[in-house]
Amino acid sequence: QKEVEQDPGPLSVPEGAIVSLNCTYSNSAFQYFMWYRQYSRKGPELLMYTYSSGNKEDGRFTAQVDKSSKYISLFIRDSQPSDSATYLCAMTPSNDYKLSFGAGTTVTVRA
Amino acid sequence: DVKVTQSSRYLVKRTGEKVFLECVQDMDHENMFWYRQDPGLGLRLIYFSYDVKMKEKGDIPEGYSVSREKKERFSLILESASTNQTSMYLCASSLARKNEKLFFGSGTQLSVL
Repeated sequence: QKEVEQDPGPLSVPEGAIVSLNCTYSNSAFQYFMWYRQYSRKGPELLMYTYSSGNKEDGRFTAQVDKSSKYISLFIRDSQPSDSATYLCAMTPSNDYKLSFGAGTTVTVRA
Repeated sequence: DVKVTQSSRYLVKRTGEKVFLECVQDMDHENMFWYRQDPGLGLRLIYFSYDVKMKEKGDIPEGYSVSREKKERFSLILESASTNQTSMYLCASSLARKNEKLFFGSGTQLSVL
């Protein structure tokens, strides 16, 4: 069993829809939870990160962490074609330790 | 603008060749990483380095070695390339104790024939 599980999709939604992405994990030591966005033929870039449990909002993006269920989510409101990308979750027990990545979910937002 | 630069965007090599992938960062970051990215498997850590001349094995180091002679440069070496090393290779860097924020290069797509 992988340490971090993420449904690879692909996910296709119409413009303006809410996109819901999630990951589950098995290591209860994880404390830092990140979402990276990767456009085609580019490297990933950090989109959001959350320490421990709770919600974090940044514009149209909301990240949620439920440590009791070992489940994290990313929501994209009012999705735009420019949000079409692969979204990777990542997590680590400590900010000086290596990251564990999910496989990535490919999202297409149709105009 | 911060930058991680990988020397080649595409590389085609033959089985058995020695392959060098170069990565340079201009952010004075202490930490540097090499990942490979394969469909359905996500990013897997090959090697990382927390300081000049320091290196640590990641999750899949077999068949690879690295070199970090200067702080800004981290090289990945395939001593004898094999077809199962065909992949996208991504270099990343971060500040010390800031691994939650990795800065990635654009990647090198390596094909081994």
